[in-house]
Amino acid sequence: AQSVTQLGSHVSVSEGALVLLRCNYSSSVPPYLFWYVQYPNQGLQLLLKYTSAATLVKGINGFEAEFKKSETSFHLTKPSAHMSDAAEYFCAVSLYNFNKFYFGSGTKLNVKP
Amino acid sequence: GAVVSQHPSWVICKSGTSVKIECRSLDFQATTMFWYRQFPKQSLMLMATSNEGSKATYEQGVEKDKFLINHASLTLSTLTVTSAHPEDSSFYICSARGRAGVGTEAFFGQGTRLTVV
Repeated sequence: AQSVTQLGSHVSVSEGALVLLRCNYSSSVPPYLFWYVQYPNQGLQLLLKYTSAATLVKGINGFEAEFKKSETSFHLTKPSAHMSDAAEYFCAVSLYNFNKFYFGSGTKLNVKP
Repeated sequence: GAVVSQHPSWVICKSGTSVKIECRSLDFQATTMFWYRQFPKQSLMLMATSNEGSKATYEQGVEKDKFLINHASLTLSTLTVTSAHPEDSSFYICSARGRAGVGTEAFFGQGTRLTVV
């Protein structure tokens, strides 16, 4: 079975500071992993994905994530937060055939000026 | 990436009426479509999976007679919330995937916010 745990429902950082959003997964088979961003009253926008290629994945808007099999983690980072990064972020796991995405509970990122 | 469009983006309806939400894949053939529901301040939960030309497969706890899903063509799936009640108010998101296989990704629509009054 697949599941995703996001530590911290709310994360607050100052503008210019490092952003670190944590995601741990559980999967009975090699997973595909995703990070999505959701702005208020909008759908999901794909930030980045891991599909068994390079373990360090670079995405849009300066975000990146590293797949660590030994730690079953896929944490999302950005070196310097921008006010426009304030949103809710979801980590998700899927099987290789992209049937069923299992989402974490989400982390709301607040960026302080 | 491919584009999936949902319509409407938001809808308000009276209790007891039915509401239809459309999900279209604009530039690819979606053999499989998924419908998710997001309660306020919660994550997305899969409601059902539909394959073109087949009956939808519903997740445990989802009422198939209340949430009617039709996937009649390779570019369109619809979710009809029948006899809607205030507790059905939620954010509904669809995703669509092309023919199965490695590299065939699922893409998400922008969501529909349903408010039942």
